[in-house]
Amino acid sequence: NAGVTQTPKFRILKIGQSMTLQCAQDMNHNYMYWYRQDPGMGLKLIYYSVGAGITDKGEVPNGYNVSRSTTEDFPLRLELAAPSQTSVYFCASSYREGRSEKLFFGSGTQLSVL
Amino acid sequence: AQKITQTQPGMFVQEKEAVTLDCTYDTSDPSYGLFWYKQPSSGEMIFLIYQGSYDQQNATEGRYSLNFQKARKSANLVISASQLGDSAMYFCAMKGDNFNKFYFGSGTKLNVKP
Repeated sequence: NAGVTQTPKFRILKIGQSMTLQCAQDMNHNYMYWYRQDPGMGLKLIYYSVGAGITDKGEVPNGYNVSRSTTEDFPLRLELAAPSQTSVYFCASSYREGRSEKLFFGSGTQLSVL
Repeated sequence: AQKITQTQPGMFVQEKEAVTLDCTYDTSDPSYGLFWYKQPSSGEMIFLIYQGSYDQQNATEGRYSLNFQKARKSANLVISASQLGDSAMYFCAMKGDNFNKFYFGSGTKLNVKP
């Protein structure tokens, strides 16, 4: 059971370049999220999705775009990369069982913009 | 408004002793869940424990327990019999049942001394 898979694990971008961080989950979860974690800080929500075709902004969406064409995939697009986007990016998915809820994380993507 | 506050940037504890990591929250949602995650130096996010706002008893998972005080809006994590492997960052998180977002605190770095 792969869970939440993120690729790549590491990436270095030049200012102004663009890239897509891939995220896939095989647990049939409807809810998916993208977070960024700056050094020594907590997680900030970038975008989230409640199902295929539905996405919404989180706390820090500027400079990013997402799409959710399938339940499994939730890619994050960086356009015109800036040094402020240097961070570790986590994709996550969640499910609810009765009153209990659980959030599963991918292993993260470390991105440096130079 | 949804907010999670962790006021202890760093904590030290002697091996085999118990330690409490503080977390307070604020939410307008009458029903919500509280979570704790561990992030070791390797970077992955590991789920530790969940507490629902309507749960009558405090949650426990092995050496982890959650001291839930609803009136005070606190959800402190208690780790009993600390081990060297408990050295990590610990994040408190919250999700309101009427909201689709998980909110994270800024984290507490725990160091267990031999």
